[in-house]
Amino acid sequence: KAGVTQTPRYLIKTRGQQVTLSCSPISGHRSVSWYQQTPGQGLQFLFEYFSETQRNKGNFPGRFSGRQFSNSRSEMNVSTLELGDSALYLCASSATGDTEAFFGQGTRLTVV
Amino acid sequence: GDSVTQMEGPVTLSEEACLTINCTYTATGYPSLFWYVQYPGEGLQLLLKATKADDKGSNKGFEATYRKETTSFHLEKGSVQVSDSAVYFCAPQEVRDDKIIFGKGTRLHILP
Repeated sequence: KAGVTQTPRYLIKTRGQQVTLSCSPISGHRSVSWYQQTPGQGLQFLFEYFSETQRNKGNFPGRFSGRQFSNSRSEMNVSTLELGDSALYLCASSATGDTEAFFGQGTRLTVV
Repeated sequence: GDSVTQMEGPVTLSEEACLTINCTYTATGYPSLFWYVQYPGEGLQLLLKATKADDKGSNKGFEATYRKETTSFHLEKGSVQVSDSAVYFCAPQEVRDDKIIFGKGTRLHILP
């Protein structure tokens, strides 16, 4: 069974631009969560989607947004990029949100 | 909200040494507890889990016991290998909304 797929793997953007990251969960999984990983802050929860609805949200500004499609694929968008948004963005899928989470390899975003 | 504290790294050990990575958490109720591992250049993988008090999770020679009285979930291995070099994350899952809270991670480096 295919794992969680995140695209692209690497991105370089300039300040002020916006970016969209994609996550395809494991087939049959309905919950998708997004995390930001930085050396200073560790893994921080961004948001979780379940059946196309945002179910949980972390403490990030409104520039960070996401959505989930009917096939459970999810995208996250960051607008007006700042240097501090440079990070590894990880996506995790699970069957129902209270079962084991499976992570993708992440998208490494560099803002210059 | 819930929180988790795990020992700061990096931890450097020689091969075949004994390992303990401490983890304590604060939570409402009795969360499920996880240890995730991140190998270089990869996303997170579930290492082991425990869902109720006194449960012991184990995998790849690693063990952790759910200690309700001390709200701890320390990771242990009797004899580490070079291939265990990675970052380890302790992660309770909130009962209220199934959100997984990650510790800052402990980088483990095993010398041959």
